[in-house]
Amino acid sequence: DGGITQSPKYLFRKEGQNVTLSCEQNLNHDAMYWYRQDPGQGLRLIYYSQIVNDFQKGDIAEGYSVSREKKESFPLTVTSAQKNPTAFYLCAVQGTGGQPQHFGDGTRLSIL
Amino acid sequence: RKEVEQDPGPFNVPEGATVAFNCTYSNSASQSFFWYRQDCRKEPKLLMSVYSSGNEDGRFTAQLNRASQYISLLIRDSKLSDSATYLCVVNMPGGYQKVTFGTGTKLQVIP
Repeated sequence: DGGITQSPKYLFRKEGQNVTLSCEQNLNHDAMYWYRQDPGQGLRLIYYSQIVNDFQKGDIAEGYSVSREKKESFPLTVTSAQKNPTAFYLCAVQGTGGQPQHFGDGTRLSIL
Repeated sequence: RKEVEQDPGPFNVPEGATVAFNCTYSNSASQSFFWYRQDCRKEPKLLMSVYSSGNEDGRFTAQLNRASQYISLLIRDSKLSDSATYLCVVNMPGGYQKVTFGTGTKLQVIP
C-alpha cells in the first residue's frame, strides 16, 4: 500500500546473527503491527504498538524485539534466539475507529 | 473454537461462474469486518469492508449475518485474475484494536 515502506525486500541471515527489518509509514496512523507468514499458512502476530514508546507482544514474540521511538517507524529485530526465522514478514498500520489494516509489501527472510 | 474460521479450499471454478465464501467468527461483540485478497507471495490487500446492510462493489458482494456470526463474499462472473487467497478479518472491541485474520480461502479460476 502507498505510504507504508518495508525494507529490505529480501534479507539473508547468518547463524547467530541479529537482523533488523524496517517499516516506515507516512499515513500518520498510531497503530502498527508486525506479522509473520509461513508458506501456505495464515498471518501470526509478533508485536504491535498503539502509541509511540509503547508496544505489546503478540502471539509469537519469542526471538523478536521491536522499538517505537517515532510514530512513523516500527523496526523489528529478529534475534539469534529465533531458531526458525525463515518466513515472510509483514508490517501493517491501522487508523482509529475500527478501520482496516493496510500492509507494506513485506520482507522475505531466509537463513544462509 | 477458533476466533475466525474459513474453509481453506481450494475452490476450483470455471471462468464466468459465481462462487461464495463464508467466514464464521466466535466473538459476538466483534465490531468491524473486512475481506482481503492475497496473491501468491504478496501482501494482503483490502478488498472490501463488510457492513450490516451488505455492500456491493462491481462483481463482489459482501454480507454480514450477526445472528449466525458469519460474513460472506460472493464473486459473480469469475475472472482468471480473481485467482487468489481471500482472507476474512474481524476487529474486536477493546482498549486496543484486536484484529484477527482468518487463514484464508484459496480460489482458482480455471479457463
